[in-house]
Amino acid sequence: QKEVEQDPGPLSVPEGAIVSLNCTYSNSAFQYFMWYRQYSRKGPELLMYTYSSGNKEDGRFTAQVDKSSKYISLFIRDSQPSDSATYLCAMIDTGNQFYFGTGTSLTVIP
Amino acid sequence: DGGITQSPKYLFRKEGQNVTLSCEQNLNHDAMYWYRQDPGQGLRLIYYSQIVNDFQKGDIAEGYSVSREKKESFPLTVTSAQKNPTAFYLCATTPGASVYEQYFGPGTRLTVT
Repeated sequence: QKEVEQDPGPLSVPEGAIVSLNCTYSNSAFQYFMWYRQYSRKGPELLMYTYSSGNKEDGRFTAQVDKSSKYISLFIRDSQPSDSATYLCAMIDTGNQFYFGTGTSLTVIP
Repeated sequence: DGGITQSPKYLFRKEGQNVTLSCEQNLNHDAMYWYRQDPGQGLRLIYYSQIVNDFQKGDIAEGYSVSREKKESFPLTVTSAQKNPTAFYLCATTPGASVYEQYFGPGTRLTVT
């Protein structure tokens, strides 16, 4: 079993839809939870990070962590064509080692 | 992107040749990383370095070598011993204080035929 599981998609939604992206994990030592956005043939860029269970909002993006279920989510409200990218979840354990999901490919159709 | 440069963007080599990928940063970050990205496999850590003149193997170091002679530079050599070298290679850095902030370069696409 992988440390971090992420549905690769692809996910295709109409413009304006709410998008839900998810990851599950198995290691209870994970302490930081991040979401990266990666456009085609580019490096990933950090979108959001959270440290504890709960929600964190930044504009149209909301990151949610449920440590009891070992489940994290990223919600995108009012999705735009410019949101079309691959979204990677990532986690850090107590030894500061990074673990990445495989990424979910999202297309927002105008 | 930002203060991390990787060159070249695309690289083509013949099988059996060693090739060195460049990674330079002007962010004054201590830690630097090399990842390999393949479709459906996410990012896999090749090597990382916390300080100058010191580096550690990641999960898939076989067939790769690195050096860290300067804080700004962390070149990766893909040797002929690497069985499947064709991939997208990403360099990343992390500031010492904010461990969760990993900044990535634009990547180098290496194709070996």
